[in-house]
Amino acid sequence: AQSVTQLDSHVSVSEGTPVLLRCNYSSSYSPSLFWYVQHPNKGLQLLLKYTSAATLVKGINGFEAEFKKSETSFHLTKPSAHMSDAAEYFCVVSTAEDSSYKLIFGSGTRLLVRP
Amino acid sequence: EAGVTQSPTHLIKTRGQQVTLRCSPISGHTSVYWYQQALGLGLQFLLWYDEGEERNRGNFPPRFSGRQFPNYSSELNVNALELEDSALYLCASSRKPRMNTEAFFGQGTRLTVV
Repeated sequence: AQSVTQLDSHVSVSEGTPVLLRCNYSSSYSPSLFWYVQHPNKGLQLLLKYTSAATLVKGINGFEAEFKKSETSFHLTKPSAHMSDAAEYFCVVSTAEDSSYKLIFGSGTRLLVRP
Repeated sequence: EAGVTQSPTHLIKTRGQQVTLRCSPISGHTSVYWYQQALGLGLQFLLWYDEGEERNRGNFPPRFSGRQFPNYSSELNVNALELEDSALYLCASSRKPRMNTEAFFGQGTRLTVV
């Protein structure tokens, strides 16, 4: 069965410092992985997706994520945090078990950016 | 290109009432997904419709139901509302799903049950 675990419920960084949001996955086959961001009282926006074409995936707003099969990880990073990055971030794995497609969400990581 | 649109944006209902939420997918998308995001419970999968048929259902009671219309728009119906149904209901759409298909989300409907 597919699952995803976000290791930190909250992450706090200072503006201009690097961001690291951690995600581990469990999959019985090569997964498709996504990161979504949700600003307060808004829907979810796709940041990036991994589909086995390249292990380092670049997304919008300067975010990127690296797929590491040996560590079953798909951590999200950004070199320099901006105040507008404060939001909740979700790591997501897709599954197609029994021919039924589903997106499985992690529990989310709330990113706080301090001035 | 218009994104996924949901209506209404906010709704207040009384316990025991019924509610209908609406979702219009991105043009060309045949699949619609519904998720419930209740405080402290994360995103819970409710329903998946594709080409007018219910394809998958999450672990919710039968009073949560829906349908998809020929134009691929969708409704989510909740009967006999309970206080714990208060949540943000998110709709997403995608093309015919494969493993690497991403879904695009609407802004959600905030339902408050009093």
